[in-house]
Amino acid sequence: GAVVSQHPSWVICKSGTSVKIECRSLDFQATTMFWYRQFPKQSLMLMATSNEGSKATYEQGVEKDKFLINHASLTLSTLTVTSAHPEDSSFYICSARDLRTDNSPLHFGNGTRLTVT
Amino acid sequence: GQNIDQPTEMTATEGAIVQINCTYQTSGFNGLFWYQQHAGEAPTFLSYNVLDGLEEKGRFSSFLSRSKGYSYLLLKELQMKDSASYLCAVLDSNYQLIWGAGTKLIIKP
Repeated sequence: GAVVSQHPSWVICKSGTSVKIECRSLDFQATTMFWYRQFPKQSLMLMATSNEGSKATYEQGVEKDKFLINHASLTLSTLTVTSAHPEDSSFYICSARDLRTDNSPLHFGNGTRLTVT
Repeated sequence: GQNIDQPTEMTATEGAIVQINCTYQTSGFNGLFWYQQHAGEAPTFLSYNVLDGLEEKGRFSSFLSRSKGYSYLLLKELQMKDSASYLCAVLDSNYQLIWGAGTKLIIKP
């Protein structure tokens, strides 16, 4: 079945540094991928929609310059948290839909737990 | 605005049956999904309904009534591993997923 791979699973970084998270669709092409953030005991919050070959669409309140998204191919999207701060510590999850199947469900990566010290 | 409501938390006993309700008001409808999310993990897909009625998958069933803007997830023969959050999500007319806040299900022995 469709699988989405996300790396790294967890990362600890110092305040002010940048962190890159990769999201790959392993056996299907994903023209669109989604990036979510989830704080403890809260629901998923959509951050941005990543479109292959074009600019990402960011949700209101999400800083474009802080959360850089690149969707360079049909199987890879990356999220870079620039100049990370402790308040950016969260669980980041990517997802993609297999467009071969109408209304197919979102397939999620396993998530990346980011801790900024 | 778009809105999805589901209970914040439910408690049930191992071996019993529990029904988690979800009501929605969205701009258009292209299907409703249920996901399971264990603490600290990404969501996993459980079911998809686009037509009215009941879809059964083993111990889990999902029901949809489009006229009422209502769905439920039914879990039978509850097991301790079913303790998780259950997320209801609706695909709107723009094929955007609108998420409910999730229902935390606690299973007691």
